[in-house]
Amino acid sequence: QQQVKQSPQSLIVQKGGISIINCAYENTAFDYFPWYQQFPGKGPALLIAIRPDVSEKKEGRFTISFNKSAKQFSLHIMDSQPGDSATYFCAATPETSGSRLTFGEGTQLTVNP
Amino acid sequence: DVKVTQSSRYLVKRTGEKVFLECVQDMDHENMFWYRQDPGLGLRLIYFSYDVKMKEKGDIPEGYSVSREKKERFSLILESASTNQTSMYLCASKTRLASSYNEQFFGPGTRLTVL
Repeated sequence: QQQVKQSPQSLIVQKGGISIINCAYENTAFDYFPWYQQFPGKGPALLIAIRPDVSEKKEGRFTISFNKSAKQFSLHIMDSQPGDSATYFCAATPETSGSRLTFGEGTQLTVNP
Repeated sequence: DVKVTQSSRYLVKRTGEKVFLECVQDMDHENMFWYRQDPGLGLRLIYFSYDVKMKEKGDIPEGYSVSREKKERFSLILESASTNQTSMYLCASKTRLASSYNEQFFGPGTRLTVL
């Protein structure tokens, strides 16, 4: 059972456009929501993360929007660049889990020049 | 910089073989993880370890075992490889200093093909 559902599975955006990836979760105990970015041939790396006490977090061109009542969060990439082409994973964990992250299915983003 | 290394980038084995995947981290992290990555399924946790000789099952432990004899090394073992274990295997590590908010650091992955 996938506790974190991610969409779309793939996304093609033109350079300069906005990329939006959505995630929904079921477990109300989740309280930390990171996004990981994976380039071909590499392992995933932490991109940005949010806790539910805020509705938005921005780091450069990357923004997480969080809707606690809807149990949804999303990643927005502004002014998308070809170098942003990668696979993106959302994840979630309850603090009490200690270490375990539950990942979404992943989104393969392609930014065309 | 944290470095997580995995023993092989590509591995081809035959059905029924015993397979060892090795992972080493150089940051003295307490927690280590093994995931498998399959298209459309994301990263699924196989096993994790929070200390030497300690292990806990993840979401898909069937057909796998692990070993952690030293803090820096975490091994994934396929006792009798099967074709449905063909996948990308990712190792990760994390400090336990604060809470689960700490970042997990991933290795580059081992692409295992079982024929």
